[in-house]
Amino acid sequence: ETGVTQTPRHLVMGMTNKKSLKCEQHLGHNAMYWYKQSAKKPLELMFVYNFKEQTENNSVPSRFSPECPNSSHLFLHLHTLQPEDSALYLCASSQVHNEQFFGPGTRLTVL
Amino acid sequence: QKEVEQNSGPLSVPEGAIASLNCTYSDRGSQSFFWYRQYSGKSPELIMSIYSNGDKEDGRFTAQLNKASQYVSLLIRDSQPSDSATYLCAVTSTGNQFYFGTGTSLTVIP
Repeated sequence: ETGVTQTPRHLVMGMTNKKSLKCEQHLGHNAMYWYKQSAKKPLELMFVYNFKEQTENNSVPSRFSPECPNSSHLFLHLHTLQPEDSALYLCASSQVHNEQFFGPGTRLTVL
Repeated sequence: QKEVEQNSGPLSVPEGAIASLNCTYSDRGSQSFFWYRQYSGKSPELIMSIYSNGDKEDGRFTAQLNKASQYVSLLIRDSQPSDSATYLCAVTSTGNQFYFGTGTSLTVIP
């Protein structure tokens, strides 16, 4: 596979469930990002990892927990989410401070 | 003041016309500038990058950068209905932070 991949592409979960989103980049980049995009809203940066170290956390609720085991993989662990967390979750990667390339996103619905 | 500002639109142009999308940024020391296209329900796709003052052309797309005015634009010539999307401006600041604008919605009317 090439580029940035995300799984699953669609996810429906209840408020008491625990699930994880996965992102993998095949571009040799050293930075990875999680964004949230609610319907017809701008991108919201959630987390940034540079060289596997978290460098930014934009006041994201603790029910979202990121994990970056290496420079090619990024996870977003979800637990006790709220219906307002339903959104498109986008992963991106880049060489640090350069243009970002996005995965196809995970469409999350919280019931 | 936001780091990157765009008119949210919607901008409507007839097929075959030139669409002009504008973006201003606040950090005078910014060095790198990008335009992304995002179709509804899809992820953003990089379409242009520009680093120095002037114009950069790629097919029907032209990016224009004016650092003195802190202004970057995207022109789409011979607009097609398939160009209907939201266009996001992005800037790398002097602190090496990457900022997106809120996007401009473009509709090309057949």
